[in-house]
Order: sequence, then C-alpha cells, then structure tokens
Amino acid sequence: NAGVMQNPRHLVRRRGQEARLRCSPMKGHSHVYWYRQLPEEGLKFMVYLQKENIIDESGMPKERFSAEFPKEGPSILRIQQVVRGDSAAYFCASSPRKGNYEQYFGPGTRLTVT
Amino acid sequence: GENVEQHPSTLSVQEGDSAVIKCTYSDSASNYFPWYKQELGKRPQLIIDIRSNVGEKKDQRIAVTLNKTAKHFSLHITETQPEDSAVYFCAEKRSNYQLIWGAGTKLIIKP
Repeated sequence: NAGVMQNPRHLVRRRGQEARLRCSPMKGHSHVYWYRQLPEEGLKFMVYLQKENIIDESGMPKERFSAEFPKEGPSILRIQQVVRGDSAAYFCASSPRKGNYEQYFGPGTRLTVT
Repeated sequence: GENVEQHPSTLSVQEGDSAVIKCTYSDSASNYFPWYKQELGKRPQLIIDIRSNVGEKKDQRIAVTLNKTAKHFSLHITETQPEDSAVYFCAEKRSNYQLIWGAGTKLIIKP
C-alpha cells in the first residue's frame, strides 16, 4: 500500500513561470490537504479538497494560487507567475474521510524560485 | 488568538532525561490534537494524538495530556534517546477541519 506520493520532489522555477505540484493520496483516501512550510517554521494550511470539490481554501492566497482534485488523477497545486516568496516546501496530506482522522503526509515538493 | 502557541521553541536535554513541550489553543470547539515529528528535510510524521474525550494517552516513552478547561496540551517524552532529536509540532483540528499548527519545537538530545 503506497503512501502519499508527491512529485516532483524538487522544482526550480524562474520568477514569472508557473509551478505545478502533484499529489496522489493514499489508496482509498478521498480527502487531500495542502500545506506550505517556510524554513524554520510550522506548516500553514492552504486548501482542503475532496474529489472534484474544494471544501476550504481559506488558507490559499487569492491570486496566482489554485488547486484541484479531479475525479481521475492526482491533486494539483498550481502557482502562476511565481515570485521569490513562493519558495518553500509544499506538503500534501490525505485522510480517508473528513473529521478527526490522521492525516498522512507526502514527502513534500521543495520549490525554489530564482 | 488565531494560532496554536507552542513552547519552547528550542529544548535541549541530556540523553535519558525527560522532555516536555506545551501548546495552548484558542478554539474551544477543537476536539482532536495530534503531535508530529519532523526530521530535517523529511515529512511530518504523526507520533501520538489525543481526542477531547480523554485527558491523557500514552504510547511507550511518549505521552500526551490535555486540559480542556485551560486549553493546554502537552507532549512528554521520557528516557530520551539521540533519535528523538527532531522538530516537534503540535496541532489542533478545528471544527471546519483545518489543522492549525504550532510553530514547532526543536528538540536536541545531548549525549
């Protein structure tokens, strides 16, 4: 039973380019959460999705950032026109259902904007 | 406040001694409190969690206590070992399903 998969593990983008981060939840999990972690800091909630639905995007910047979790395929976090401040580790987590259940984390994608 | 307050930010203990990390939350409706361990460059991993209907939970050398009245919860690690060195995060799960994280505690185990 594979864990949460994220790719790429490392992504380098120049300012103004687009970044696409992918997350495949654990088998049987239909809830996905995206977090951002800056160096030496905790994780900041960005967005919570179920299949084909955004449940809560209150932690996501209103501009340049978007997320989706289609019926088929991985969840995608998309950052348009990246800026240096977007450099961070982006983790996704999945859980089997909503409520107070453990979230299983992927290995993260480390985005560097040059 | 909006966030979970976590103290201390850095904790250095002698190998074999105990370590205690404390968190304070603000949303009285929160009812799930996990603790995660994150080693350098790796993903956070759940080490223990507690739900609001219990006051204490123990798993070998790790225990968590919860005081709902004071809105405090704490992580206790006994007989610390070098492999316990990591950053530890507390979190609260709010009623809207957001997981709100503390800023982390860097635990250093001195040999």
